[in-house]
Amino acid sequence: DIQMTQSPSSLSASVGDRVTITCRASQGISNYLAWFQQKPGKAPKSLIYAASSLQSGVPSKFSGSGSGTDFTLTISSLQPEDFASYYCQQYYAYPLTFGGGTRVEVK
Amino acid sequence: EVQLVESGGGLVQPGGSLRLSCAASGFTFNNYWMSWVRQAPGKGLEWVANIKQDGSEKYYVDSVKGRFTISRDNAKNSLFLQVNSLTTEDTGVYYCARFPVSDYGQPLGFDYWGQGSLVTVSS
Repeated sequence: DIQMTQSPSSLSASVGDRVTITCRASQGISNYLAWFQQKPGKAPKSLIYAASSLQSGVPSKFSGSGSGTDFTLTISSLQPEDFASYYCQQYYAYPLTFGGGTRVEVK
Repeated sequence: EVQLVESGGGLVQPGGSLRLSCAASGFTFNNYWMSWVRQAPGKGLEWVANIKQDGSEKYYVDSVKGRFTISRDNAKNSLFLQVNSLTTEDTGVYYCARFPVSDYGQPLGFDYWGQGSLVTVSS
């Protein structure tokens, strides 16, 4: 199975900060990588697919990059609605696997 | 507007069974792979199963193989998950999600999610 390792597991940030979350795959996954946002008690929301493509309706403050084993999600200017948990996920091979998540909290 | 609405969750004893349903609308259901993803209380996301547009291919995470069965009824725009031999480790919210694949067969990852259905396994 492909292991997905996210870092950090949590971070504290302020409104307006630039935030970067990293995700590392245990083997190469090309660009078969997605990012999701989840708020407490809510369903996940899809942000990015194919490592860097924004899902429809997702604001451009979110961006993704990477290929192979190392990936990043960047939020260019953190807003109050962005405080949430973020997950990466590989869909290169079954079983599909998620990273452990990164909780973005108010500093 | 794409909508996925899960139902069928509830409280069940260890060893029991449930059938989860996901009603899809706002898109051509039989054009898409579909998935189930679950989340234990306070934990991360775990993919459970995928099914091809015509039901001819199904994939499962190892921990549910032989106990869970994914299926679909394209005439009724519905996705199902039959869950048997439940244990306390199966407790969590179960989400259905759409899993688009390009015309060239390239998967594109989950795009839409339902609101989830809570399954609680407890005696």
